[in-house]
Amino acid sequence: KQEVTQIPAALSVPEGENLVLNCSFTDSAIYNLQWFRQDPGKGLTSLLLIQSSQREQTSGRLNASLDKSSGRSTLYIAASQPGDSATYLCAVRGLAGGSYIPTFGRGTSLIVHP
Amino acid sequence: DTGVSQDPRHKITKRGQNVTFRCDPISEHNRLYWYRQTLGQGPEFLTYFQNEAQLEKSRLLSDRFSAERPKGSFSTLEIQRTEQGDSAMYLCASSHPVGRGDEKLFFGSGTQLSVL
Repeated sequence: KQEVTQIPAALSVPEGENLVLNCSFTDSAIYNLQWFRQDPGKGLTSLLLIQSSQREQTSGRLNASLDKSSGRSTLYIAASQPGDSATYLCAVRGLAGGSYIPTFGRGTSLIVHP
Repeated sequence: DTGVSQDPRHKITKRGQNVTFRCDPISEHNRLYWYRQTLGQGPEFLTYFQNEAQLEKSRLLSDRFSAERPKGSFSTLEIQRTEQGDSAMYLCASSHPVGRGDEKLFFGSGTQLSVL
């Protein structure tokens, strides 16, 4: 069974810092990995999707990397802003069983203070 | 593309009552997922559909839960005889089928259920 772990669970930083959020998964047989942002009481907003054949994806100040063999992905946020404050979740689509059901981590709660 | 819609946004009910939630996925997506999320946790998979077929159900989905997607479009999730432990955010997501290379998962805003 695929298990997804996100470290750290919470992070508080001053505005302007560059950040790295980590996502690790136990089964490296994955189809893709997707990073999301969730604001309190709201649904999830997609940030980046990395296919298993890719090493990284970039969107604006966000860069996500994937190392399938070591079971890790990182989300890099450059020049953090207070508006980046949210919970960041990663979801792994595994190949096991052929169902490709996304499995989520518990998220990293980020606070960026002015 | 109007995104994934969920209704209602909030539902307060008394223990023992039945509740039903609705999800309208992105129109061209044939995969639809239901997840449950409690405070401080990531979303937990409940069930998914490919078109109108319900292909997998989690052990979390007790016999009090039932989901349908009658014409492969919108879906409903019903909880019978609600319990306080059912209090959670119920999230719906949709995507293209696997294999297209653009299987990004899109979520609705969720339905927050409170069972008193």
